[in-house]
Amino acid sequence: EDQVTQSPEALRLQEGESSSLNCSYTVSGLRGLFWYRQDPGKGPEFLFTLYSAGEEKEKERLKATLTKKESFLHITAPKPEDSATYLCASSLANDYKLSFGAGTTVTVRA
Amino acid sequence: DTAVSQTPKYLVTQMGNDKSIKCEQNLGHDTMYWYKQDSKKFLKIMFSYNNKELIINETVPNRFSPKSPDKAHLNLHINSLELGDSAVYFCASSLQHGLAGGHQQYFGPGTRLTVT
Repeated sequence: EDQVTQSPEALRLQEGESSSLNCSYTVSGLRGLFWYRQDPGKGPEFLFTLYSAGEEKEKERLKATLTKKESFLHITAPKPEDSATYLCASSLANDYKLSFGAGTTVTVRA
Repeated sequence: DTAVSQTPKYLVTQMGNDKSIKCEQNLGHDTMYWYKQDSKKFLKIMFSYNNKELIINETVPNRFSPKSPDKAHLNLHINSLELGDSAVYFCASSLQHGLAGGHQQYFGPGTRLTVT
């Protein structure tokens, strides 16, 4: 079953063109919502964990937010080095495994 | 200093063979995981060990058997390989199972398995 759905599948941006990625989850009893970055040929790299609706976290040009139904990853004034696949994952209160979405592949052109 | 390492990085083998993938972490973490990433890029948990004890065992064929000789190592042995086993396999570790800190998982570089 799909617990986590990410959109869009791919996003092509011009350098400096801000945008947002969406991660919607259909589980009840969410323990946490996680964002990872994955570069080609590498393992996912942890970015953020969000635990409750209204929570926000920032790191450089990235900002993650959480509502009761979805999470957004905002990329502000992206640079080519922000090109990667961004994965979100959920964990449940009584089940500690992570369920990943399919990811959004972001390409930032100079 | 590599935090989570896997060997080999690439593995090409024929159907029916048995192969192993090794994983080591030098982070002092208690929990280790195996994930499979298929061609559609979905990352799916296979197994998790906490202090050498199996705690997550998803619906994975019996041909897959994890082995944890100590909490720094988690190996994956696959018997009678099939075409559908072709994927990238990632090892990961976290500080502790469950709770807030446990989910910051550190991933290895992956092992690309190709079964011909």
